[in-house]
Amino acid sequence: GAVVSQHPSWVICKSGTSVKIECRSLDFQATTMFWYRQFPKQSLMLMATSNEGSKATYEQGVEKDKFLINHASLTLSTLTVTSAHPEDSSFYICSARTGNRKAEQFFGPGTRLTVL
Amino acid sequence: AQTVTQSQPEMSVQEAETVTLSCTYDTSESDYYLFWYKQPPSRQMILVIRQEAYKQQNATENRFSVNFQKAAKSFSLKISDSQLGDAAMYFCAYRSAFTSNTGKLIFGQGTTLQVKP
Repeated sequence: GAVVSQHPSWVICKSGTSVKIECRSLDFQATTMFWYRQFPKQSLMLMATSNEGSKATYEQGVEKDKFLINHASLTLSTLTVTSAHPEDSSFYICSARTGNRKAEQFFGPGTRLTVL
Repeated sequence: AQTVTQSQPEMSVQEAETVTLSCTYDTSESDYYLFWYKQPPSRQMILVIRQEAYKQQNATENRFSVNFQKAAKSFSLKISDSQLGDAAMYFCAYRSAFTSNTGKLIFGQGTTLQVKP
């Protein structure tokens, strides 16, 4: 299957700083990428959907100024958590798919963010 | 709006036995896809099986099979000959098949499966 990578896999930062998480599709062109947030023992919560070259579409309740998403190329999307606070600590997962109607989503391994 | 419900937060099964995880969904669409994903302790999401709504035949992947009841909007996962490596959180997910849709997945709450040796 297709491979999606995330970097970093784990990050600790101080409150008030910004953190950038990268999501890359390694062997296919990702027309669409998704960003999820997951708390322990809970389901994945979709934060936003991004299409290459377009502005991201955020789900209701997700602060777009807080979680900046950029999908600059067909293989790279970034999520920047701006002015992070302890409540932003979570597990962030990206996924990617091609534009084919039947295409499935391929998930990255996730990034654990801890804000002190 | 579409919803997916998994009513079993936790399930356990004896190694080599069979277990069924339940999932129901609600939609007014006629064409869609349903999925079961596995999330082991590593937290890497793994696709277990997918079902296309317009296909009558239930999907099967080795020890994993589904019981897709379109009229009842039910999509259960059966794991046969359970193995220790099957222990994970399992998510049922829905995706619209319409091209106007971005392909986003709607997940259920998840079921944690414990496999006892």
